[in-house]
Amino acid sequence: EPEVTQTPSHQVTQMGQEVILRCVPISNHLYFYWYRQILGQKVEFLVSFYNNEISEKSEIFDDQFSVERPDGSNFTLKIRSTKLEDSAMYFCATSGETGDRMNTEAFFGQGTRLTVV
Amino acid sequence: AQKVTQAQTEISVVEKEDVTLDCVYETRDTTYYLFWYKQPPSGELVFLIRRNSFDEQNEISGRYSWNFQKSTSSFNFTITASQVVDSAVYFCALKSGGYQKVTFGTGTKLQVIP
Repeated sequence: EPEVTQTPSHQVTQMGQEVILRCVPISNHLYFYWYRQILGQKVEFLVSFYNNEISEKSEIFDDQFSVERPDGSNFTLKIRSTKLEDSAMYFCATSGETGDRMNTEAFFGQGTRLTVV
Repeated sequence: AQKVTQAQTEISVVEKEDVTLDCVYETRDTTYYLFWYKQPPSGELVFLIRRNSFDEQNEISGRYSWNFQKSTSSFNFTITASQVVDSAVYFCALKSGGYQKVTFGTGTKLQVIP
């Protein structure tokens, strides 16, 4: 069964450093997302990406964050100058194999646990 | 605006008991989609079901069943004859208004005791 793959599974970084989280989407999906879950809290939407550009973003997704699909397969989330409060589980998700952006569920990767120290 | 409320923070049941997880949603849109996801202790999010606003038929899948009631804006999830492997956090979620983002509830942690 196709699945979303995220690397690394766990990343520890020092405050102020840049991190890149990577995701390999399900191959025939059209929409890509990043969500974040601070420990013990709910899952929060960060950004959606379609046709090589950001289609929606939340207020959390400020200038510190960026996304790209550098090689047509990987989908990355870059966090510049990490802060302690960026520590969370980051989930990549994909959907939209039919092109109907409303009519499909998002399939999530296993997550990357980011710890900022 | 869209909002999902899961009032039950934690539920404990003894194995083989039935349990219902509540979900109430808010949206001004007439077209929307509701989801349930399971997050086991390992941390991943596992898709369980999608329901669209035009289809109020209840659904059963093995020991799982879902009750969608537009009149009360609820989308409740029942596990019949619970098992220890059902122990997880369950999230109800909503997508509406032509937006791609999914809004999650705060989750209900289910503990099934052997």
